[in-house]
Amino acid sequence: AQSVTQLDSHVSVSEGTPVLLRCNYSSSYSPSLFWYVQHPNKGLQLLLKYTSAATLVKGINGFEAEFKKSETSFHLTKPSAHMSDAAEYFCVVSDSNTDKLIFGTGTRLQVFP
Amino acid sequence: DTGVSQNPRHKITKRGQNVTFRCDPISEHNRLYWYRQTLGQGPEFLTYFQNEAQLEKSRLLSDRFSAERPKGSFSTLEIQRTEQGDSAMYLCAMGADPTNEKLFFGSGTQLSVL
Repeated sequence: AQSVTQLDSHVSVSEGTPVLLRCNYSSSYSPSLFWYVQHPNKGLQLLLKYTSAATLVKGINGFEAEFKKSETSFHLTKPSAHMSDAAEYFCVVSDSNTDKLIFGTGTRLQVFP
Repeated sequence: DTGVSQNPRHKITKRGQNVTFRCDPISEHNRLYWYRQTLGQGPEFLTYFQNEAQLEKSRLLSDRFSAERPKGSFSTLEIQRTEQGDSAMYLCAMGADPTNEKLFFGSGTQLSVL
């Protein structure tokens, strides 16, 4: 069965510094992987998705993620954090057998001025 | 704004009462999902519909839970005889067929069972 593990429950960065949110996946075959963001009082929003076309995936708001099969990782990065990036981020894998998304436990990103 | 509307935004109820939530979807998306999210956790799948047909239910969905999607449009999620453990955010999401990979989520209904 597919699953994802988010390695950090909280990440704090200063505005203007790089962001790294870590995610490892477990899958018996090539997975579809996503990052979703959840701002307070707003619905979950898709940041980016990997579906085997390219290992480096660019998303919205300057985020990108790299699929590394050898490390079973799909870490989310951004070169320079903005205050508006403060939110909860979820790494997600798609279970192709059952057509549902399986979420990680989330990483809360705090951005300090 | 994803176009997925959920009502009510918040619901406070006493243990043992029944509650019902509603999800009004984007009209052209025919897959509808319900997820539950508790504090500090990611959303967990509950059930999903393709049009009016309920295709899968998680084992998290006990007999006290029932979901419907009459006419393949809006959906309701009812919890009977609520328990304190039911307190959570209930999320509705829409997915396009044939791919469900991009889901559009509503803002959710926060349920508090006292």
